[in-house]
Amino acid sequence: DTAVSQTPKYLVTQMGNDKSIKCEQNLGHDTMYWYKQDSKKFLKIMFSYNNKELIINETVPNRFSPKSPDKAHLNLHINSLELGDSAVYFCASSQGLAGGPVETQYFGPGTRLLVL
Amino acid sequence: AQSVTQLGSHVSVSEGALVLLRCNYSSSVPPYLFWYVQYPNQGLQLLLKYTSAATLVKGINGFEAEFKKSETSFHLTKPSAHMSDAAEYFCAVSLIQGAQKLVFGQGTRLTINP
Repeated sequence: DTAVSQTPKYLVTQMGNDKSIKCEQNLGHDTMYWYKQDSKKFLKIMFSYNNKELIINETVPNRFSPKSPDKAHLNLHINSLELGDSAVYFCASSQGLAGGPVETQYFGPGTRLLVL
Repeated sequence: AQSVTQLGSHVSVSEGALVLLRCNYSSSVPPYLFWYVQYPNQGLQLLLKYTSAATLVKGINGFEAEFKKSETSFHLTKPSAHMSDAAEYFCAVSLIQGAQKLVFGQGTRLTINP
């Protein structure tokens, strides 16, 4: 069973389009995250949700909008895609705030987005 | 602000040789440190984490790391490299800003030569 899954795995699209990436976790975790990994492999957190509530919102263009319909799902919608949005986007989950700073985050396989 | 720096974006060792991947941290409070591994075209997987319980931390796949406060370091080692260890390795510091926030280093690509 895949613990954290993402769809699609690959996404190729034109500039200006709107696209969504879906993430699901079956670990029963309360907290979910979105990370962006750029072409140099640098990983940076974008958002974090705890029980459907937005907790962390880094300096991300407002073209990016996360949505959490329930605590097992965290989707990422991107409007008006730009060339610079090309990256690998990772979803992750962890037990929750009770574990504090030593929680282990479990990562999905990533979605490779290419904007042409 | 808490941060980590990984020295060496690319490390190459021979199969059977010692693996040493360097990570230095910057933190005004006791840090919580992690090492994650990313195999090609996969997500990240936890190798080990420092939670202040012990300075020498053992992880999966024969890896271990030692927390040295005097050197502000948390270097990752493995006595004998296997071909399967070829991957990207990330050091990270964890902080709480409403939720756990992992701040990653730049990553080190480990290549194993036969």
